[in-house]
Amino acid sequence: DAGITQSPRHKVTETGTPVTLRCHQTENHRYMYWYRQDPGHGLRLIHYSYGVKDTDKGEVSDGYSVSRSKTEDFLLTLESATSSQTSVYFCAIMRGTGELFFGEGSRLTVL
Amino acid sequence: DQQVKQNSPSLSVQEGRISILNCDYTNSMFDYFLWYKKYPAEGPTFLISISSIKDKNEDGRFTVFLNKSAKHLSLHIVPSQPGDSAVYFCAASMDSNYQLIWGAGTKLIIKP
Repeated sequence: DAGITQSPRHKVTETGTPVTLRCHQTENHRYMYWYRQDPGHGLRLIHYSYGVKDTDKGEVSDGYSVSRSKTEDFLLTLESATSSQTSVYFCAIMRGTGELFFGEGSRLTVL
Repeated sequence: DQQVKQNSPSLSVQEGRISILNCDYTNSMFDYFLWYKKYPAEGPTFLISISSIKDKNEDGRFTVFLNKSAKHLSLHIVPSQPGDSAVYFCAASMDSNYQLIWGAGTKLIIKP
């Protein structure tokens, strides 16, 4: 019972290249989130979605875009990756009030 | 400006003893608080939560205490077990707001 799957789990890319991370849920939840986790910062919200084609920015949205064309999929795109975007990215769904369920993470390295 | 602070980056506790993890917040509008646990190479998992109308919530070995006047919450783990070694995050949210504000995390190490 994965609930959420993220792909790819690991990616190494070069500065300036586009990158798309995919989050797929099997639970039909309305709210989906993309976070990044960096040492000393905890989890920081990049973007979130409250329905198909309904998205909003989080606290660290610069350099990222998202799309949600289906309930089950939430895509995070780095149009032109930079080294500062090297991080671990987590997708999450809202299951109960304020309770997030996370995917296993996608580790991105930008050289 | 960190609204949720975990001032201890790490904590080491003997197996069988009590682990106490602390979290402070600055925004008095927060009304729901959560603790998550994270193992390496895995996503965070929900542990326990507390609403601002309560001052204590207990679930097995885990108890969360909320002191609204001090804007402080703590997570108590009794007794501590080796499997409790992980990074613990506290998070907070406001009424009708589906965003969580996170602390930086505390790495708990349980010594055998």
